Amino acid sequence: AQSVTQLGSHVSVSEGALVLLRCNYSSSVPPYLFWYVQYPNQGLQLLLKYTSAATLVKGINGFEAEFKKSETSFHLTKPSAHMSDAAEYFCAVSDNWLNAGGTSYGKLTFGQGTILTVHP
Amino acid sequence: DTAVSQTPKYLVTQMGNDKSIKCEQNLGHDTMYWYKQDSKKFLKIMFSYNNKELIINETVPNRFSPKSPDKAHLNLHINSLELGDSAVYFCASSQDVGGFGYTFGSGTRLTVV
Repeated sequence: AQSVTQLGSHVSVSEGALVLLRCNYSSSVPPYLFWYVQYPNQGLQLLLKYTSAATLVKGINGFEAEFKKSETSFHLTKPSAHMSDAAEYFCAVSDNWLNAGGTSYGKLTFGQGTILTVHP
Repeated sequence: DTAVSQTPKYLVTQMGNDKSIKCEQNLGHDTMYWYKQDSKKFLKIMFSYNNKELIINETVPNRFSPKSPDKAHLNLHINSLELGDSAVYFCASSQDVGGFGYTFGSGTRLTVV
């Protein structure tokens, strides 16, 4: 089964600084990878996803992530942090399989989450 | 117009009670899910339904029973609630069974006392 590991449960940056949130995956097949953001007391919102097209994926709110197969990584970056970026971020991999009828089913396996704090 | 809505948002109940959480999506998606987020924020899938058919049933106590009356609704019923059931439960839907585009609800915070 696929899995993801997020390095660092807490990341703190200054406003305007580079944001780097690390995610490494384990997968026996080409993975589909996702980053979600969760603001306090809210649900998860999709930031971006990699589904085997371009390795550099651009998402919402200025975030992007690069899929690096050789490093089994899918790190999330943003050039300049904003106070509104403070939230918890989850990396996820889609664990897909085929049923007897040949239909592909999937479920997301999430990392442990990284809390991003942005200081003024 | 909320895409995936869950009710209630908060639920406080005593041990041993039976409770239900409702979920509805207006996105026209065929696949719906229940995820549990524990106190350490770890998210884990519980169930998935595709067009009212159960397709994923993880190792979840049989006190938890999902019900999908139609493809726009996936409810979660929990019998004999235990302290360890306290968590945030998220409903989600996706436009395909491959799970490539989840939309999550805002969650139901269940507290068992």
